[in-house]
Amino acid sequence: DAKTTQPPSMDCAEGRAANLPCNHSTISGNEYVYWYRQIHSQGPQYIIHGLKNNETNEMASLIITEDRKSSTLILPHATLRDTAVYYCIVRVAGTGNQFYFGTGTSLTVIP
Amino acid sequence: GAVVSQHPSRVICKSGTSVKIECRSLDFQATTMFWYRQFPKQSLMLMATSNEGSKATYEQGVEKDKFLINHASLTLSTLTVTSAHPEDSSFYICSASRTVMNTEAFFGQGTRLTVV
Repeated sequence: DAKTTQPPSMDCAEGRAANLPCNHSTISGNEYVYWYRQIHSQGPQYIIHGLKNNETNEMASLIITEDRKSSTLILPHATLRDTAVYYCIVRVAGTGNQFYFGTGTSLTVIP
Repeated sequence: GAVVSQHPSRVICKSGTSVKIECRSLDFQATTMFWYRQFPKQSLMLMATSNEGSKATYEQGVEKDKFLINHASLTLSTLTVTSAHPEDSSFYICSASRTVMNTEAFFGQGTRLTVV
């Protein structure tokens, strides 16, 4: 069962930072926060994940609050190709543990 | 990132026939693979967890006799939709994780099934 809450949709101007919030107030101490995105009619694409420290990679940054009850995915310079549905998922680490998807946020990058 | 490949990407079948979808991890071994179904404008719904060498674990409400899952090797899992009907038309997606802790899952490109 999804344990996250995300806004259903957001717009962002091309070239600006896109900040996508996620609430996970019932997260457990051993659960990680994962972010994926899905472009229409494709499989989800992994973006980033973290436990409690902020994380950054070539795609995005993940900011997790100190109490771990919420997080924000930051796309620093949004492009039109970043238009997609973004999913925030909490999950206990381990390859046998499932990823349950919520409804996600539909991000539209506007020219 | 790691590559997970599904085949076919698109299939049309007649009502009452069976369809097999393959999911392969191309550059890593996957003890566990997952199968999802996605209807238009909806999120991904987990159908089952596929474990290499053992029976799959199905989510509540998913018919195990209709959606047969086989995970015969560390790089291949198959989903067979048996006696397909139009309501089984959907986007089917698999995913796999490497056999280590704290790892992300990689998703296939999905299979669009249309039952006519």
